[in-house]
Amino acid sequence: SQKIEQNSEALNIQEGKTATLTCNYTNYSPAYLQWYRQDPGRGPVFLLLIRENEKEKRKERLKVTFDTTLKQSLFHITASQPADSATYLCALDMSMTGAGSYQLTFGKGTKLSVIP
Amino acid sequence: EPEVTQTPSHQVTQMGQEVILRCVPISNHLYFYWYRQILGQKVEFLVSFYNNEISEKSEIFDDQFSVERPDGSNFTLKIRSTKLEDSAMYFCASSRTGNSPLHFGNGTRLTVT
Repeated sequence: SQKIEQNSEALNIQEGKTATLTCNYTNYSPAYLQWYRQDPGRGPVFLLLIRENEKEKRKERLKVTFDTTLKQSLFHITASQPADSATYLCALDMSMTGAGSYQLTFGKGTKLSVIP
Repeated sequence: EPEVTQTPSHQVTQMGQEVILRCVPISNHLYFYWYRQILGQKVEFLVSFYNNEISEKSEIFDDQFSVERPDGSNFTLKIRSTKLEDSAMYFCASSRTGNSPLHFGNGTRLTVT
């Protein structure tokens, strides 16, 4: 069955550096992949969606790549700031029951700490 | 910006009691979801709901759980007979279409004693 793996539970980086987070999946390539941010005690907040035919997507200091050969997505935050400290989740639709059914499933997340 | 609202923010209940968690999704969204997050663990999918019926559910969503959209604005999760292991944060979410981003509420923290 499809699995989502975010290999790093925690990542500490210095302010101003680029943070790179990894999301791997094990079986079929999904039509799209999403990244969310979660702060303690709050619900996840959507950041970016990338489709299988897109190699890269950008939004301000965020960049996501999607490599269907490697079965991997990378999430980059450039010029990181302490306010970027949060848990970042990748998510895939795991539904196998056909059109109209959606089961967005999250990875365990990577907790990013940006040190001033 | 419209948001998903959940009530109550914290619910304490005794084992074996029924609880109803309430959500008001974003008004023009058509897909609704419940997720749960046990403290320190991942956000887990429970159920998705579209066109007044369940479209997907996980193994967690057993006969103790049910969902309902009783009117045009509310979406509820009922746990019939709570167990200690049901203690978690429960998040409601909605999306405009099935493959568009989810908008989450800030959750209801359920504590079963």
